[in-house]
Amino acid sequence: AQKVTQAQTEISVVEKEDVTLDCVYETRDTTYYLFWYKQPPSGELVFLIRRNSFDEQNEISGRYSWNFQKSTSSFNFTITASQVVDSAVYFCALNNGGSQGNLIFGKGTKLSVKP
Amino acid sequence: EPEVTQTPSHQVTQMGQEVILRCVPISNHLYFYWYRQILGQKVEFLVSFYNNEISEKSEIFDDQFSVERPDGSNFTLKIRSTKLEDSAMYFCASSPMGLAGRINTGELFFGEGSRLTVL
Repeated sequence: AQKVTQAQTEISVVEKEDVTLDCVYETRDTTYYLFWYKQPPSGELVFLIRRNSFDEQNEISGRYSWNFQKSTSSFNFTITASQVVDSAVYFCALNNGGSQGNLIFGKGTKLSVKP
Repeated sequence: EPEVTQTPSHQVTQMGQEVILRCVPISNHLYFYWYRQILGQKVEFLVSFYNNEISEKSEIFDDQFSVERPDGSNFTLKIRSTKLEDSAMYFCASSPMGLAGRINTGELFFGEGSRLTVL
């Protein structure tokens, strides 16, 4: 079975703090893809990143960084020096390599960044 | 910047009524999707559509649901006889290529959603 667990339901931080959003996944597939999406208050889902199972290199994009560890089946997301505009619900998602459309989402973590 | 547009933004309907949700995907995209999000819960895959046919569907996508691309630009989701539990936000998405594969980003471009309320 495939599953994505985001244990943190809500996180509240003060602006400029660093924050890490946890994501643990389960899959029996050897080829799979992991994603992070952001859902701001306006409601749309915004793509942040996709990671392939065969590439464990961590990635940094500005204030965002992702730590992919196959040994612990985790794909954590860190926001450095958080800003109020980062306030949103963040979803981690999984896709097995055989599916071109089925994204399995976690329940999301609601991040509130206070000024 | 091209975007996926959905109409209506909110629809209220009576149980048992038929509903059609409409989407205009990004014009050069080849893959189309419907997802739904019941209030406060996770986003769930319904169906993917490629080359004028359903390529994959979830258990949720039963005989009550159908999709169509009637005119080369619109992509519609029809719910034949709505139930209370169909109340949700329905998201349309499109992508130039599928989720998997080494040469593409796997990004889905989502619309802002259509909120369906079944009374």
